[in-house]
Amino acid sequence: EAQVTQNPRYLITVTGKKLTVTCSQNMNHEYMSWYRQDPGLGLRQIYYSMNVEVTDKGDVPEGYKVSRKEKRNFPLILESPSPNQTSLYFCASGNPRQETQYFGPGTRLLVL
Amino acid sequence: AQSVSQHNHHVILSEAASLELGCNYSYGGTVNLFWYVQYPGQHLQLLLKYFSGDPLVKGIKGFEAEFIKSKFSFNLRKPSVQWSDTAEYFCAVMGDRGSTLGRLYFGRGTQLTVWP
Repeated sequence: EAQVTQNPRYLITVTGKKLTVTCSQNMNHEYMSWYRQDPGLGLRQIYYSMNVEVTDKGDVPEGYKVSRKEKRNFPLILESPSPNQTSLYFCASGNPRQETQYFGPGTRLLVL
Repeated sequence: AQSVSQHNHHVILSEAASLELGCNYSYGGTVNLFWYVQYPGQHLQLLLKYFSGDPLVKGIKGFEAEFIKSKFSFNLRKPSVQWSDTAEYFCAVMGDRGSTLGRLYFGRGTQLTVWP
């Protein structure tokens, strides 16, 4: 089954404690991306990757890091989480021209 | 800067009513346009997309959208909504080349509530 998986689905942490949210896709897509969704703000792009070892900033990259060492995985790293990073995070993958983009189930993060 | 505006924050309709959700974008170039739907508790799903060609595009579940270049608009329509269409709808825009390829801009979303 073609899918994008994210782990964990729910996470409660404290300010400053490094965390990683994993994202994996099994469709051999070149393009992957991370978004955060906040009420009233819609989805905002954090980082995206057009291919292995190629990453670019989206609209709200501050406080986040990503890496793309292999095609199927695109982890999101919060080195020192802060409460304003409390949000719902979505990973997505697709082909570079976005003709089809698949979203993961989301990771709900609460930073205390 | 690129931006996407969705005119309605919350739309409430009765079943069988017609739907039109507005979307305007600001972008200085050729664009690709999308509508996504998010059902309660679920992730986003693509409803329809426009890349080129016929400006009237048809998507899943009876939705359609019309790209009007002169108005920078990409409004979503459905002639007769159902209770199961209750969801949040997002318009999105992406440039089609160079450094803008891959940068996807979303509107803030429109919550549609359909009463049976």
